[in-house]
Amino acid sequence: DAKTTQPPSMDCAEGRAANLPCNHSTISGNEYVYWYRQIHSQGPQYIIHGLKNNETNEMASLIITEDRKSSTLILPHATLRDTAVYYCIGLKYNNNDMRFGAGTRLTVKP
Amino acid sequence: EAGVAQSPRYKIIEKRQSVAFWCNPISGHATLYWYQQILGQGPKLLIQFQNNGVVDDSQLPKDRFSAERLKGVDSTLKIQPAKLEDSAVYLCASSPTGQGSSPLHFGNGTRLTVT
Repeated sequence: DAKTTQPPSMDCAEGRAANLPCNHSTISGNEYVYWYRQIHSQGPQYIIHGLKNNETNEMASLIITEDRKSSTLILPHATLRDTAVYYCIGLKYNNNDMRFGAGTRLTVKP
Repeated sequence: EAGVAQSPRYKIIEKRQSVAFWCNPISGHATLYWYQQILGQGPKLLIQFQNNGVVDDSQLPKDRFSAERLKGVDSTLKIQPAKLEDSAVYLCASSPTGQGSSPLHFGNGTRLTVT
């Protein structure tokens, strides 16, 4: 699975868009890009995933560059409840044993 | 849809004692995982089941950890004997298939403290 690199921490103002970057320069053509988040004392929560195309759901948007070497998770209107650790993970199509890195700690401030 | 259920929520034991954790995955999910999350780190995969068979247990410390998934539904993870470094949150996850297109769904974990 691709090695992913994320900034250790980011801040965002409440109500503004939070843009979380992830570098996955070694990703292969059959690897999905997954995003999870983990709020204190809870298990990781699935947010969104994509292969090549940009994706949007009720929680977030995922923008994958054309060369697939990086992606950005966008939370359009961050709230205080979005404060969490966000994990970007590369995952091959034929298995889903996820390998988590350290993630990005997002703090949404009033 | 009910989520992944885990119990107990918290457990405190002394070193060299035994402990067991229980997981009930989402109904119909064929794949089940156990992860260990040490404070300040991301979760680390311990073992993966597909139905009642083991797919990957390469990171399971087999001298003290064991896991089973009888009948391909519920699963238990056991530690015997526990060490101080086993203090962590133990997370269970399930997925409809073992394919990369299917997200994992996690429970809220069991927080183990070994004293």
